[in-house]
Amino acid sequence: AQRVTQPEKLLSVFKGAPVELKCNYSYSGSPELFWYVQYSRQRLQLLLRHISRESIKGFTADLNKGETSFHLKKPFAQEEDSAMYYCALKGIGNEKLTFGTGTRLTIIP
Amino acid sequence: EAGVAQSPRYKIIEKRQSVAFWCNPISGHATLYWYQQILGQGPKLLIQFQNNGVVDDSQLPKDRFSAERLKGVDSTLKIQPAKLEDSAVYLCASSPRFDGLNTEAFFGQGTRLTVV
Repeated sequence: AQRVTQPEKLLSVFKGAPVELKCNYSYSGSPELFWYVQYSRQRLQLLLRHISRESIKGFTADLNKGETSFHLKKPFAQEEDSAMYYCALKGIGNEKLTFGTGTRLTIIP
Repeated sequence: EAGVAQSPRYKIIEKRQSVAFWCNPISGHATLYWYQQILGQGPKLLIQFQNNGVVDDSQLPKDRFSAERLKGVDSTLKIQPAKLEDSAVYLCASSPRFDGLNTEAFFGQGTRLTVV
């Protein structure tokens, strides 16, 4: 079974402060991990994926297989980062895409 | 490229009525997903198609929900009869066939269903 856990439903951070959204997963094998974001009144969209090791909008996420975590980080929060963030796992082979419950990030001006 | 299209955007029905949602995935995408997202929760996978075959429907309430993907392109999700707890946003997503590279899923705008 594959499972994604996001322990924080709500997170408020001051503008300019660092942000960390937590994500832990359970999967027997090597998964693909993603962060999806949903801005107000917009569709769910991909923010970044672990295999690309890229930084998107200042966000990065490192896959830690030992801790089965894929936390999302940004050193300096911006007001436009306010959104719902979902961590997701795709099983290689079955391509089943499982989401966490999401974290609502609010950036305080 | 054109995105995933869903219709209708909104639907209000009375309990015990029937409803159907339609999804047109991105052209050429082999995998199609239907998710249910209840307010305050993450998307829950209902059914996953690979072309026109069902890959996973373990969380689909089969006594009232059904889905099909004829010809491996468009898909419809039906609820009959609807219950109050079916009120949610129904999301459709598609992704290319896995070919050894990381593939993302693209989402539609969703259909917001309210059962009264």
